[in-house]
Parts: sequence; C-alpha cells; structure tokens
Amino acid sequence: SQTIHQWPATLVQPVGSPLSLECTVEGTSNPNLYWYRQAAGRGLQLLFYSVGIGQISSEVPQNLSASRPQDRQFILSSKKLLLSDSGFYLCATPRLSSYNEQFFGPGTRLTVL
Amino acid sequence: SQKIEQNSEALNIQEGKTATLTCNYTNYSPAYLQWYRQDPGRGPVFLLLIRENEKEKRKERLKVTFDTTLKQSLFHITASQPADSATYLCALGRKVYGGSQGNLIFGKGTKLSVKP
Repeated sequence: SQTIHQWPATLVQPVGSPLSLECTVEGTSNPNLYWYRQAAGRGLQLLFYSVGIGQISSEVPQNLSASRPQDRQFILSSKKLLLSDSGFYLCATPRLSSYNEQFFGPGTRLTVL
Repeated sequence: SQKIEQNSEALNIQEGKTATLTCNYTNYSPAYLQWYRQDPGRGPVFLLLIRENEKEKRKERLKVTFDTTLKQSLFHITASQPADSATYLCALGRKVYGGSQGNLIFGKGTKLSVKP
C-alpha cells in the first residue's frame, strides 16, 4: 500500500537559514508528487508538483525551490528562510485506487523565528 | 481570479444533530469537487468526491451535494458525534488532459466541533 514519509516532523529555524525538507513515497512507481503549504489562517496552497525525475513545476513564485532526484523522492528547499515561510508543509501523491484523490503525508511543521 | 470559500471558520453543534458545511466558488468551472477531513497536526484525509454531472453523493453518515449553477457544495454529517470534530476542507479539481493530475484548489476549511 502507499506510504508517504516526511522528515523532519517539526523544525524551528532562524530567519535567513537554509531549509531542506524531504518526502519519500513507497508502494508506487513514477508517481506525481506535490508540495503544499498550510499557513495559519490560509488554505492549503500548492507550491510545486512533479510528474517525473527532474521535472518540477512551480505554482507560486517564492523563495522556495523543489527537486526530484529520484523517482520516489521529493525535496523542498530554501537558501534563506523568511518569517512568512512558517507553516505546515505537506507532501502528497494521487491515490493509486482513485487517481483524483490526493493522499497526503504526515507533514512537517516549520517555524521560522 | 479563482476563489473558493467555506462558509465559516468554525461551526459548533450538539451531538446527534446534522452538521452542514458550505463551500462556494467563483470564476471556476470544476470537473469535480472533493471533501477532506483534517485532524490537528495531521495531513488531510479524503472523504468524498462528487463530479460536475452528479447532484448528490452519500457515504455512510456523510452526504455531499453539488450545484454547478449556484457554484456551491454542501457537506452534511448526520447524527454527528464528538469524533467527527475536525477541520473539513473542500477542494476543486479541474479537467486535466495528459500530464499533471491534481492541481486542486483548496478552501481554508471549517473547524467543526461536536459537543456531547
């Protein structure tokens, strides 16, 4: 069955520091992968999606970037964090049994101080 | 621009009553609409999907309606229980041809509290 791992689970970082969040998926091959952010008082916002290795599409311009070095690995990065980057970051992939359904990982809570 | 609104940030009801949550959208023609449940500190979990040509969908105590003329979906939980307390998100999906599935647009969610 499909499983999504995200780490770290929580992170507290100072403004201006770099960021690397990792997502790995099991139980599926060549999945579409998504990074979402959920900030306080805001809806779930799609940041990036990837349809294959090395293929990244950005939905929202910002100081974040994403990479997909392996089929089931998706990484979210930043060179310099801003206060506004605080939020709950979720990795997702379509459910194999129902392709329109998004299957979410456990998330990473990022606090930028 | 595309906009999706859920009627209220919070909804408090008594156990046993029916909870009704609303999702409205503008400047969008979705192919389908979904509802998710999200518990604190966790990722959303899919509940129901309803397509543009469907008016109503049911799953156990859950019922979803979809009115593309009003651009509105209603989400009902009948015989509500304290365990139903969570944030409920609606999401719109568009027709996608080839390539990138998904690209859902999510609402901010409604936090439902069911009191015993």
